Amino acid sequence: GAGVSQSPSNKVTEKGKDVELRCDPISGHTALYWYRQSLGQGLEFLIYFQGNSAPDKSGLPSDRFSAERTGGSVSTLTIQRTQQEDSAVYLCASSPSSGGSYEQYFGPGTRLTVT
Amino acid sequence: QKEVEQNSGPLSVPEGAIASLNCTYSDRVSQSFFWYRQYSGKSPELIMSIYSNGDKEDGRFTAQLNKASQYVSLLIRDSQPSDSATYLCAVDNAGNNRKLIWGLGTSLAVNP
Repeated sequence: GAGVSQSPSNKVTEKGKDVELRCDPISGHTALYWYRQSLGQGLEFLIYFQGNSAPDKSGLPSDRFSAERTGGSVSTLTIQRTQQEDSAVYLCASSPSSGGSYEQYFGPGTRLTVT
Repeated sequence: QKEVEQNSGPLSVPEGAIASLNCTYSDRVSQSFFWYRQYSGKSPELIMSIYSNGDKEDGRFTAQLNKASQYVSLLIRDSQPSDSATYLCAVDNAGNNRKLIWGLGTSLAVNP
C-alpha cells in the first residue's frame, strides 16, 4: 500500500519568507508526527497529532512554527518568516493507534534550505 | 528527562561478520522498543520492533531485550556492505501520549 508522502521534496526559500510543508499519512493512521533533522544530527521532535488534535506541541522551536491537520489525514507544517537556522530536513511520520501500537512510518522528508 | 543512549560509533565490521548495536534507556516503564535504519540522505526505516524480554529474529536481524537491565540490542548476522547506515533505537515514553524517545544513532560501516 501507499506509504507516507511529503511535498515538496525540496524547498529553497529566501530568509523572511513563509513556507508550507505537506504530509499525507498512511491511510487509517490516526497519529501523525513532525520531526526536524539537521545535517548529521538526531531527530528533533516538533509536534504530534492524534486525529486533528495536537496533544503535544512541545517541540515547536518558536511561535513562527505552526501545524494543523484536517480530516484526520493531511497535515501542513507552516514556518513563518524563515531564518537560516530553519534549514533542515523536515520529516513526517504516521502511526496506527490500535492495539497500543507505537511504531512510526516515515515519509521521504522535505529538505528546506533558507538562503 | 527520559533518555535513550547509543554509542555513536562508527562501528566498523568486515563483510560477513556479526554487527552488534546496543541501546540503553532510562524509563523502566517503557514497553515498546524499535530499531530503525537510516541510510545517508534518506528517512528512517523501521526494521525491528520488540515488546517482550528475550530475542526476536527476522532474517539476518535479531533484536534482544532485557527490561531488567534496560537494554536493547540489534545483531546483524552475515553483515553486508548494504547494511552500512545509521541505526536508530527508539523507545516509547510510557507517558500519556504516543511519542517515541529517540537515540542519536550508531553509524555502522561494513567493509568489503
